[in-house]
Amino acid sequence: SQQGEEDPQALSIQEGENATMNCSYKTSINNLQWYRQNSGRGLVHLILIRSNEREKHSGRLRVTLDTSKKSSSLLITASRAADTASYFCAATGNSGYSTLTFGKGTMLLVSP
Amino acid sequence: NAGVTQTPKFQVLKTGQSMTLQCAQDMNHEYMSWYRQDPGMGLRLIHYSVGAGITDQGEVPNGYNVSRSTTEDFPLRLLSAAPSQTSVYFCASSRQGGLDGYTFGSGTRLTVV
Repeated sequence: SQQGEEDPQALSIQEGENATMNCSYKTSINNLQWYRQNSGRGLVHLILIRSNEREKHSGRLRVTLDTSKKSSSLLITASRAADTASYFCAATGNSGYSTLTFGKGTMLLVSP
Repeated sequence: NAGVTQTPKFQVLKTGQSMTLQCAQDMNHEYMSWYRQDPGMGLRLIHYSVGAGITDQGEVPNGYNVSRSTTEDFPLRLLSAAPSQTSVYFCASSRQGGLDGYTFGSGTRLTVV
């Protein structure tokens, strides 16, 4: 299993602050992905970082990957109340690319 | 462009009843998956398919059946519902499996009493 484990489980910040979430995984990966889930909704794909990449940006999102430590981080800059959601990392293993294995998520609360 | 459509959105079943959760996508994606989400457990893979006619088991397949007769549809069947199957079920599809992002449906909230 390539299960990702997010840290922290919950994070509470004020609007305008940065939010950082971490993800650790167990074995070698092809890529690692981050998803957002608003309460009561499906997951939305945010960003994918491949194993040969170290950093990737998309708007206010910055993802880093450290394959030597088997970890990734998601940084959301200048957070907004609309960023309140659960965030999940998901890994694709190096053998068999059919599925993703998800972690348990970080619940982010951004207060106005 | 509808994406991934799941029906129904809510369902209450009695123990022992059977039912089918429907999932359809209109993006011509080969890869489709079913997950269940329980509090504190994240998403766990039930079954997945890499194309029409091809399915395989995930992490928690017991009590569920799937088939993939067309590229578009991937129904999940509960054979004999149990309270332990109370959960939120998500269907997802992808063009390249785990090599690109998955598109998720909005989920089916199932309660078994």
